[in-house]
Amino acid sequence: GAVVSQHPSWVICKSGTSVKIECRSLDFQATTMFWYRQFPKQSLMLMATSNEGSKATYEQGVEKDKFLINHASLTLSTLTVTSAHPEDSSFYICSVVGGRGFNYGYTFGSGTRLTVV
Amino acid sequence: TQLLEQSPQFLSIQEGENLTVYCNSSSVFSSLQWYRQEPGEGPVLLVTVVTGGEVKKLKRLTFQFGDARKDSSLHITAAQPGDTGLYLCAGGETSGSRLTFGEGTQLTVNP
Repeated sequence: GAVVSQHPSWVICKSGTSVKIECRSLDFQATTMFWYRQFPKQSLMLMATSNEGSKATYEQGVEKDKFLINHASLTLSTLTVTSAHPEDSSFYICSVVGGRGFNYGYTFGSGTRLTVV
Repeated sequence: TQLLEQSPQFLSIQEGENLTVYCNSSSVFSSLQWYRQEPGEGPVLLVTVVTGGEVKKLKRLTFQFGDARKDSSLHITAAQPGDTGLYLCAGGETSGSRLTFGEGTQLTVNP
């Protein structure tokens, strides 16, 4: 499968500030990346589909003006949490799809733990 | 919206026991993946199944895709403490499309 790098792995920010999370596909040109959010002890919830060179597609209930997604190149997508609040604290994970045969599937980044204080 | 129901949500067993995790849906998926996730990390792909009825084995793990491609199961034989983690099933509508995740099964294998 693809190799995905996500940065930072954790971040603490003050309420009202913005935080940018990067997702890089290191060995695969990803026209599409996905951004997920995960709360403790829960499964992944898709937030948006990031499309290279065009606007992201957001899932119902996800505020596009709060979670800004930029997919400016085939190897980089960024998620910016604007005016963060404590309820935005969560584990954010990106993924790309790739691989071959038996291992075809989605490769996930290592995740970013966001804590808003 | 396609939904995947995963069960059980929590499972705590002793080392050496066998277990099965189920993933069910009323919708048909073109493919289904199983992932394992450890705390503070992203999910890691275990297997992808695409053909109805197929069975794949990965050491002590056996994955099965239902004939109608609506359900799947993961069976672990002789579980070990290293198998502890969150197991997630996820279905894809088409190749490369968005994934729908099950609720996850938190497995704890006690030594």
